[in-house]
Amino acid sequence: AQSVTQPDIHITVSEGASLELRCNYSYGATPYLFWYVQSPGQGLQLLLKYFSGDTLVQGIKGFEAEFKRSQSSFNLRKPSVHWSDAAEYFCAVLTGGGNKLTFGTGTQLKVEL
Amino acid sequence: GAGVSQSPSNKVTEKGKDVELRCDPISGHTALYWYRQSLGQGLEFLIYFQGNSAPDKSGLPSDRFSAERTGGSVSTLTIQRTQQEDSAVYLCASSLTPGPGGEYFGPGTRLTVT
Repeated sequence: AQSVTQPDIHITVSEGASLELRCNYSYGATPYLFWYVQSPGQGLQLLLKYFSGDTLVQGIKGFEAEFKRSQSSFNLRKPSVHWSDAAEYFCAVLTGGGNKLTFGTGTQLKVEL
Repeated sequence: GAGVSQSPSNKVTEKGKDVELRCDPISGHTALYWYRQSLGQGLEFLIYFQGNSAPDKSGLPSDRFSAERTGGSVSTLTIQRTQQEDSAVYLCASSLTPGPGGEYFGPGTRLTVT
């Protein structure tokens, strides 16, 4: 069965520092991969997605992610974190014939000023 | 420019009661999803509607759960004979095009079963 693993439940970084959130997937075919962010009191918002092509994907809010097939990973990165980036981040893979997402358990990001 | 709205925002119910959760998608969006977010299970897909096609119900956890979408717009998720494990935040999302990646999520309904 398809699955997504986010090994870090909580991460704390200082404002201005770089960020990398890990995501590993288990999927037989070429995966369609997503990162979402859930800020306090707000709904889930898509940051970026990977379907095919260039393995380095740019998203909103200065985020990027790199698909590495050899490592079954799709890690999210940001070169300089802002306090407003504090939120929960979810990695997801498209499954079920293209209709549904299987989500990881999320990584809670705390930003220290 | 209203987004996806859900009502109620919070619902407390007694075990065994039925509840209805409502989702108003963005006007013109043909695809609509329900997800559940709980402490123990994370985010889980429940059901997907796309236009007039038969919904994908593969994520509904039991036959106590059902959903309908009237007139291709408003959707209602019904949980019958609620159990404590049904306590969760129920999220609705809609999108203009089929398939995830372009959807807009609502703020969710927090359901607490006592």
